[in-house]
Order: sequence, then structure tokens, then C-alpha cells
Amino acid sequence: DVKVTQSSRYLVKRTGEKVFLECVQDMDHENMFWYRQDPGLGLRLIYFSYDVKMKEKGDIPEGYSVSREKKERFSLILESASTNQTSMYLCASSLAGRGYTFGSGTRLTVV
Amino acid sequence: DQQVKQNSPSLSVQEGRISILNCDYTNSMFDYFLWYKKYPAEGPTFLISISSIKDKNEDGRFTVFLNKSAKHLSLHIVPSQPGDSAVYFCAAPRGFGNEKLTFGTGTRLTIIP
Repeated sequence: DVKVTQSSRYLVKRTGEKVFLECVQDMDHENMFWYRQDPGLGLRLIYFSYDVKMKEKGDIPEGYSVSREKKERFSLILESASTNQTSMYLCASSLAGRGYTFGSGTRLTVV
Repeated sequence: DQQVKQNSPSLSVQEGRISILNCDYTNSMFDYFLWYKKYPAEGPTFLISISSIKDKNEDGRFTVFLNKSAKHLSLHIVPSQPGDSAVYFCAAPRGFGNEKLTFGTGTRLTIIP
């Protein structure tokens, strides 16, 4: 089974901190994604990567950046955390045309 | 612009009865749809999908119906079980061969024992 592992289940950070969310997949998937889930808004795409060092902005990239230096690892970076970035963050990976496998999510609280 | 809409944020159903979750879409170019199920503190898991060349797809207790003219799909769960209590998301790829999915806002299903 494909596994997508997010390094932290829960995080509490202070406003203005730089925050790193890590995601690792173990099945050589080319595509990786970062979504956030908020009540009433569903899952919204932050960033997408289709190959090492390749990235594409999603629907809500403001305040975020990403890094993909190795195929298995996709990091989401909050340059200066703000309270409106308090959310559930979900990483996913996919092989072309075969749907997503999601990680368990990181619940980030910014205080 | 919410191209995939789930207008019912929550639904409660008695155990053993049928649960019907609805999803509407606005983009007529969507040709493949997926349903995901999400438990609290876990990532979504794939449940069932349907291609636009079909109007029905069945997998055990789960059936998805697609009405292309109405741009509407529904997920039927019968009989409903307590373990079905979760948030359900419908989703569609943003174009042919496009790996990015557009998700609906989700419906929280509660099965009452």
C-alpha cells in the first residue's frame, strides 16, 4: 500500500514564525499536492508538484511556498504564519490517472 | 467559483436505512468524478468513482449515480452502518489528464444507531 506520511499530527506556532510542514511518500509517485481543509470550504489546493523541483500554484498559494528537492518529499512552508492559516493541512500523492493517496493531516494552530 | 457543490453540509440517517449524498457541478467538461470519505484526524480515502460514459457505478453497499444533463451526481449507501459516519467529499479532475482535483465542500454524514 502507498503510504503518505506527514511528520506532525498537531502543531502550535506563534504568529510570524516560519513553519515547515513535511510530507513523504514511499511509492515513487510523480505528483504531490498540498491542500487545506476548512469547515464549509472543503479542500482547497495550495500547491502542486509534478516532478522534482517543479511546482505549480494552486487556488490559494498566498502566504505559502513549497520545496521538492527529492521525489519522495514535498514540503509546505509558511513564510510568516498568521492566524488565518490555522487549518488542517493535507498532503497527497498520485500516479497519473490513479487518484490520490492522502496523508493523515497536520492540524496547525497559529496563536 | 465553486465548480463542485455539496449543498447539504450535514445529514443524519437511521442505521439500516439508505443514505443519499448529493453533489452538483457547473463545468460540463468534467468527465470523471470521485467520492472520498474522511474520518476526523485522518486523511480522506478514496471510496468510489464514475466516468461520464456511465450513469451508475456500484461497489458493495455504495452506488454512485451520474445525471449528466442535470450536472448532478449522488452517492447511495445502503444499508447505512455506524462506521459510515464521516465527511464525504465529491471531486472532479480539472480537465482530461489533469491530476488536480476540485473538491466539493463536504457533507457530514451521521448514522444514528
